[in-house]
Amino acid sequence: HVQLQESGPGLVKPSQTLSLTCTVSGGSIDSGGFYWSWNRQSPGKGLEWIGYVYYTGNTYYNPSLNSRVNMSLDTPNNKFSLHLSSVTAADTAVYYCASDQTSWGQGILVTVSS
Amino acid sequence: EIVLTQSPGTLSLSPGERATLSCRASQTVVGSYLAWLQHKPGQAPSLLIYGASNRAAGIPDRFSGSGSGTDFTLTISRLEPEDSAVYYCQQYGYSPSWTFGQGTKVEIK
Repeated sequence: HVQLQESGPGLVKPSQTLSLTCTVSGGSIDSGGFYWSWNRQSPGKGLEWIGYVYYTGNTYYNPSLNSRVNMSLDTPNNKFSLHLSSVTAADTAVYYCASDQTSWGQGILVTVSS
Repeated sequence: EIVLTQSPGTLSLSPGERATLSCRASQTVVGSYLAWLQHKPGQAPSLLIYGASNRAAGIPDRFSGSGSGTDFTLTISRLEPEDSAVYYCQQYGYSPSWTFGQGTKVEIK
């Protein structure tokens, strides 16, 4: 199984863009068949799927977040990224990247606060 | 979007007992693309079951999944203390949207 590690700022101001990167090791992100996803868990709540970027670069997002989300592959560096715009306190959560349903990062806490 | 409803919300059982967790979908899950994940506080979620009934690598055989269509079940045949966690079902067969259930918390007495 691949290993994944999230990175990015732990604090983002309201109305700004949250940007996270997931570094993949033990496998190539452009090898066939993998869905590279972002998910989150807000305090006291369950898991929420944000979206995925397929190994081809095609993306699909949660309809509730679609207008604010952008994901992409960084193939030369074996990473993929999440950008979530116009954040509010409701976007405070632990963000997880994952490979299909099989491998997950440890998660990164992102707090939205001024 | 497919809505997944899990029941019960919380299950409190003793070691050695059997746990039965339910996941009901608002419409048919295509291809039985239904996974069960275990999530412990402060840890990454961990895949238990994929394709409704296939155990992931390294998962003990006391974990089993069943079901198809709109009704799915995760069974833990003999609970152990380390099974205390929140369990989520996730459907990943309906493109473009994947969804999680709201989770079932399993407490070991």
